[in-house]
Amino acid sequence: SQQGEEDPQALSIQEGENATMNCSYKTSINNLQWYRQNSGRGLVHLILIRSNEREKHSGRLRVTLDTSKKSSSLLITASRAADTASYFCAPHTSGTYKYIFGTGTRLKVLA
Amino acid sequence: GAVVSQHPSWVICKSGTSVKIECRSLDFQATTMFWYRQFPKQSLMLMATSNEGSKATYEQGVEKDKFLINHASLTLSTLTVTSAHPEDSSFYICSARDERAPLNEQFFGPGTRLTVL
Repeated sequence: SQQGEEDPQALSIQEGENATMNCSYKTSINNLQWYRQNSGRGLVHLILIRSNEREKHSGRLRVTLDTSKKSSSLLITASRAADTASYFCAPHTSGTYKYIFGTGTRLKVLA
Repeated sequence: GAVVSQHPSWVICKSGTSVKIECRSLDFQATTMFWYRQFPKQSLMLMATSNEGSKATYEQGVEKDKFLINHASLTLSTLTVTSAHPEDSSFYICSARDERAPLNEQFFGPGTRLTVL
């Protein structure tokens, strides 16, 4: 297992703006997943991108993966107040199913 | 599909008592489940991997005698916090690995807030 590190740690934007957060990891992966956690709640699975994919879309979410730089980014377009949450990435390495989470990015969308 | 539930959603107990938290995969079987704890404004810390029909695997620094894990069926894992103390107050979250999913994605429960007085 390996830990994903999210950046920035905190992000505050106005409603309607786009939010970009990044994830870096250290060793080769099979796939990488992004999760959202609202305050006091469990994690919600947002999107999974495989190591042979470069970009993936789901609604207002766009995830990119650059395996040469060992990094991924999550873009939320036209943000809403309801997007306010913490976002975590989970890089998955073969041979283990454990996820080691980083500190996440705390996104605050101001109405 | 791929829904994981936890019970209770919150619990308050007195110091010295034991508390059991349940994690259930509702619409899939999970031979592997995971238990995390999370302190306010911090990340999730993996405590242990729960394996159906065998002993749990604990992460370094986690006391196995204090945090008892039982994975007796393919849809249920339980975490028992024994002789709880105020420092055990935390948010406990479980996840279950969905073996049907193409890449065995994990799905998380809604968490259990434990407060020890």
